[in-house]
Amino acid sequence: KQEVTQIPAALSVPEGENLVLNCSFTDSAIYNLQWFRQDPGKGLTSLLLIQSSQREQTSGRLNASLDKSSGRSTLYIAASQPGDSATYLCAVRPQGGSEKLVFGKGTKLTVNP
Amino acid sequence: DAGITQSPRHKVTETGTPVTLRCHQTENHRYMYWYRQDPGHGLRLIHYSYGVKDTDKGEVSDGYSVSRSKTEDFLLTLESATSSQTSVYFCAISDLVRNTEAFFGQGTRLTVV
Repeated sequence: KQEVTQIPAALSVPEGENLVLNCSFTDSAIYNLQWFRQDPGKGLTSLLLIQSSQREQTSGRLNASLDKSSGRSTLYIAASQPGDSATYLCAVRPQGGSEKLVFGKGTKLTVNP
Repeated sequence: DAGITQSPRHKVTETGTPVTLRCHQTENHRYMYWYRQDPGHGLRLIHYSYGVKDTDKGEVSDGYSVSRSKTEDFLLTLESATSSQTSVYFCAISDLVRNTEAFFGQGTRLTVV
């Protein structure tokens, strides 16, 4: 059974700092991995999608990497801002006929002014 | 933003009453999903649909049923609501399962008293 872990559960950093969020998964047989952002009381906003054949994806100040063989992904946020404060979730889509996304429990990020 | 609308956004209901939540999409995506999000459990799949009248169970399907009579609408029904079904419910859509992003609605906060 695929399991997704995100450590740490919470992270607090000063504004301007570069930071890395971690996501690990137990089974490397995946189609893709997706990073989401969730603001309090809101839905999930898709940030980046990485296909299993890709190593990284970039969008603005965000860069996501994928090492499928080791079961790891990282989300790098450059020059963090208070507006980046949110919960960040990663999810994998397993191979083998499963149609569902398997989610980690998220990392709650606070960027302090 | 993907065109996904959930209704209602908030609902309070009594134990034992039936409740139906609606998800409406304007993207013509084939796949639709219902998740629930609870503290300590993260996001868990309830049911999903891979086409009109084609549905299947997720990991927490007991006490829930779904229907999809049109591509754009996916209904989640709690036949007899219980307090354990108090949660935030999210609808999600995706097109081709293996290669595309999943997009989420804004959520429905359901309280069963």
